[in-house]
Amino acid sequence: SQTIHQWPATLVQPVGSPLSLECTVEGTSNPNLYWYRQAAGRGLQLLFYSVGIGQISSEVPQNLSASRPQDRQFILSSKKLLLSDSGFYLCAWGSAYEQYFGPGTRLTVT
Amino acid sequence: EDQVTQSPEALRLQEGESSSLNCSYTVSGLRGLFWYRQDPGKGPEFLFTLYSAGEEKEKERLKATLTKKESFLHITAPKPEDSATYLCAVQPGPNKLSFGAGTTVTVRA
Repeated sequence: SQTIHQWPATLVQPVGSPLSLECTVEGTSNPNLYWYRQAAGRGLQLLFYSVGIGQISSEVPQNLSASRPQDRQFILSSKKLLLSDSGFYLCAWGSAYEQYFGPGTRLTVT
Repeated sequence: EDQVTQSPEALRLQEGESSSLNCSYTVSGLRGLFWYRQDPGKGPEFLFTLYSAGEEKEKERLKATLTKKESFLHITAPKPEDSATYLCAVQPGPNKLSFGAGTTVTVRA
């Protein structure tokens, strides 16, 4: 069966610090991978998606970036965090028709 | 611009009190309308996909319906374990979803 992992589960970072969130998927090959952010009381905002290694589509221009160095690994990064980057970050795999989400990372930028 | 609006924002129900959630959408060429359930502090869980007006899907106490402009999620005789945030989404383009802000349902015993 397929499993999706995200870490860390929670993170508190100061403004201006770098960020690296990792997502890995087990039990499937060449999955579509997605990064979402959910701000308090709001829906999911699609940040990036990838249909293959090295292929990244950006949905929202901002100070975040994503990379897919391996087939089942998806990384979300930032060089300098902003207060507005706080939120619940979710990784998902699947297709537009059915997506399976990871447990999420709660990021607080102070 | 494709848009998904959910109402109400919050819904408080007594156990057994049936109700409906609304998801209205504007999208050029509907490729699917999707419902997800999200428990606090967790990732969303897929519930249903609806493709065409008139289609219905059921799962336990939940039934989703679709018209040309909106979808409803009916909760029949809810139980406390049905408490969650219910999200709907549309597909604005290949490989991606656009989500609404969700309806938070609280069912009291």
